[in-house]
Amino acid sequence: GESVGLHLPTLSVQEGDNSIINCAYSNSASDYFIWYKQESGKGPQFIIDIRSNMDKRQGQRVTVLLNKTVKHLSLQIAATQPGDSAVYFCAEINDYKLSFGAGTTVTVRA
Amino acid sequence: DAGVIQSPRHEVTEMGQEVTLRCKPISGHNSLFWYRQTMMRGLELLIYFNNNVPIDDSGMPEDRFSAKMPNASFSTLKIQPSEPRDSAVYFCASSFTLETEAFFGQGTRLTVV
Repeated sequence: GESVGLHLPTLSVQEGDNSIINCAYSNSASDYFIWYKQESGKGPQFIIDIRSNMDKRQGQRVTVLLNKTVKHLSLQIAATQPGDSAVYFCAEINDYKLSFGAGTTVTVRA
Repeated sequence: DAGVIQSPRHEVTEMGQEVTLRCKPISGHNSLFWYRQTMMRGLELLIYFNNNVPIDDSGMPEDRFSAKMPNASFSTLKIQPSEPRDSAVYFCASSFTLETEAFFGQGTRLTVV
């Protein structure tokens, strides 16, 4: 089965609120994780990444947290905007393979 | 940079026909990946290349699928003969190395009728 998975398939968020998308992985040897955003009709777009020697990384309005103890990854989006509506994938690189989880569909309510 | 370029964007073909999907990676990237995306199976890695050499094709579903990378700026994914269950969106992605983030093209939506 897939080594990367997501806790929830959908997330509805009020515009302006913060979003948290969770991801669990099973391969403790994985050392590099990436969050992608996919809008309808487009390819996955790189958002932010984190390596296993870190537990937090921040970008513009996004923060990725990595908890290696429980093999959990999360993506936090601050002040969610309508343009954030998309499917979000966590992915891991293990043995040079980039593997994707099932994805979480985020819908932003006006 | 124009990013990863895939062609065609849409392809409709009849069962049994040969289909060729094309990809131009980002200039300077040394690794190239082919993925297939369906509702049922999500994003599946089919094959990837490093420095134009196929490294792992264990994700290729059947012998009907083949991929080539004759040079650093071009790759093809061929399905011969095509079947309705091959209908999916096929993505090509490239990265600077096998251990850096991959950038995806817009995909080719393949429909086999």
